[in-house]
Amino acid sequence: DGGITQSPKYLFRKEGQNVTLSCEQNLNHDAMYWYRQDPGQGLRLIYYSQIVNDFQKGDIAEGYSVSREKKESFPLTVTSAQKNPTAFYLCASRPIQGVNVLTFGAGSRLTVL
Amino acid sequence: GEDVEQSLFLSVREGDSSVINCTYTDSSSTYLYWYKQEPGAGLQLLTYIFSNMDMKQDQRLTVLLNKKDKHLSLRIADTQTGDSAIYFCAESIGPGGYQKVTFGTGTKLQVIP
Repeated sequence: DGGITQSPKYLFRKEGQNVTLSCEQNLNHDAMYWYRQDPGQGLRLIYYSQIVNDFQKGDIAEGYSVSREKKESFPLTVTSAQKNPTAFYLCASRPIQGVNVLTFGAGSRLTVL
Repeated sequence: GEDVEQSLFLSVREGDSSVINCTYTDSSSTYLYWYKQEPGAGLQLLTYIFSNMDMKQDQRLTVLLNKKDKHLSLRIADTQTGDSAIYFCAESIGPGGYQKVTFGTGTKLQVIP
């Protein structure tokens, strides 16, 4: 079955450490997105990418980095510069053509100790 | 700029209709969406409406769009306990392949048996 796989589901890290969240899709979608979800704030866009080797900052990119070396993969690194990294992170993808409907992964919950 | 607003909480009795409201600010939106999120999971698309439509019905779901007031609503008929979840309104903005999807804060629907 086609879909988006995020890993790990739960992740704990110490302050000052970088951590990378994985997002892989086998839907042949061109565009991929990372959102952060906090209670009462909904989803906020971190980064998005429309094609391989190209990506744009979203509304809250500071303290995060991404890469898009392959169409299927869009990993997100939460760096030590991110002041409040504890959150639920959601990856999504969509085709460039047709209706702009996002398909989401199941999410990764990051907790900084 | 873009901003999508929703009330945070709605409580209804099982069997009643639920109406979840959303306002948006960007008049250039192409598509507007409703997504559902169950606890600890990613978002799943419920329905969407193209910006030149006023209404869309899909089984128990009715979407109404008032472009003049930039108001979107989702009506769920005969609400069931399985409908308890967070519902997100979202809009798609931007040209062609570089569309950006902006989400509201989410409305938590509680269905009382």
